[in-house]
Amino acid sequence: AQSVAQPEDQVNVAEGNPLTVKCTYSVSGNPYLFWYVQYPNRGLQFLLKYITGDNLVKGSYGFEAEFNKSQTSFHLKKPSALVSDSALYFCAVRDMMGGGADGLTFGKGTHLIIQP
Amino acid sequence: EAQVTQNPRYLITVTGKKLTVTCSQNMNHEYMSWYRQDPGLGLRQIYYSMNVEVTDKGDVPEGYKVSRKEKRNFPLILESPSPNQTSLYFCASRDTGWVNEQFFGPGTRLTVL
Repeated sequence: AQSVAQPEDQVNVAEGNPLTVKCTYSVSGNPYLFWYVQYPNRGLQFLLKYITGDNLVKGSYGFEAEFNKSQTSFHLKKPSALVSDSALYFCAVRDMMGGGADGLTFGKGTHLIIQP
Repeated sequence: EAQVTQNPRYLITVTGKKLTVTCSQNMNHEYMSWYRQDPGLGLRQIYYSMNVEVTDKGDVPEGYKVSRKEKRNFPLILESPSPNQTSLYFCASRDTGWVNEQFFGPGTRLTVL
C-alpha cells in the first residue's frame, strides 16, 4: 500500500524568508510524486512533479522540490516567500508498480501562511 | 481556455433527494475522476474513468454513481444523498499516462440536510 504524510497542518513564514513544506511517502516500488496548490475557493493547481532523473525539480511560481530516496521525502521549497503564496498545499504519490488502478494518493494538506 | 467545469458550484439539498453534479472538460482527456475533500482527510477518490464507457471505483465509492457516455463529460450522481456526503467535490481530468498531472475543476460545495 502507498501513503503520503504531510506532518505539519500549518506552516507560518515571514514574507521574504525561505519556506519548506514537508512531505514523506511510502511505496513498494519507485514513486511518481506531485505537488498541488489550492487557493481559497479554487480547485487544485499543479505545481511540479518528480518522475525520474534530477532530484531537484523546478515548478511554477518559483517553487522547487527535492526528491530524497533514502529519506523517502519530497519537500516543497521556495527561496523567498510571498504573501500570495498563502494557500493549501497537497503532496501526492503514485507507485510506479501500482498496476491498473488509478492509485494516486494525496496527503492531508498543509496550510501555508505567509505573514507580511 | 483549457479547463474543467463543474455545476453547480454550491448546492444545499435534503436527505434522499437525488442530485447530479456535472463535470465537463475541453482538453480531450481520456482520464477523468471525482474526489471529495474533507477537513483533515485531504482528497479521496470516489470514482474514475479511463475512457468512454469505462469507469471504476476509487477509495470511497459508496453512495455515488457515475457515467461516461461522452469523452468530455463525467457526471457524479447521488441517488439518495445523506448528511455524511456533505463535502467539497472536485472533478479532474488528465492525459493518458500516470506521469501526467491532473487538471481540477473549481469544486462543488454540497450540503445535505
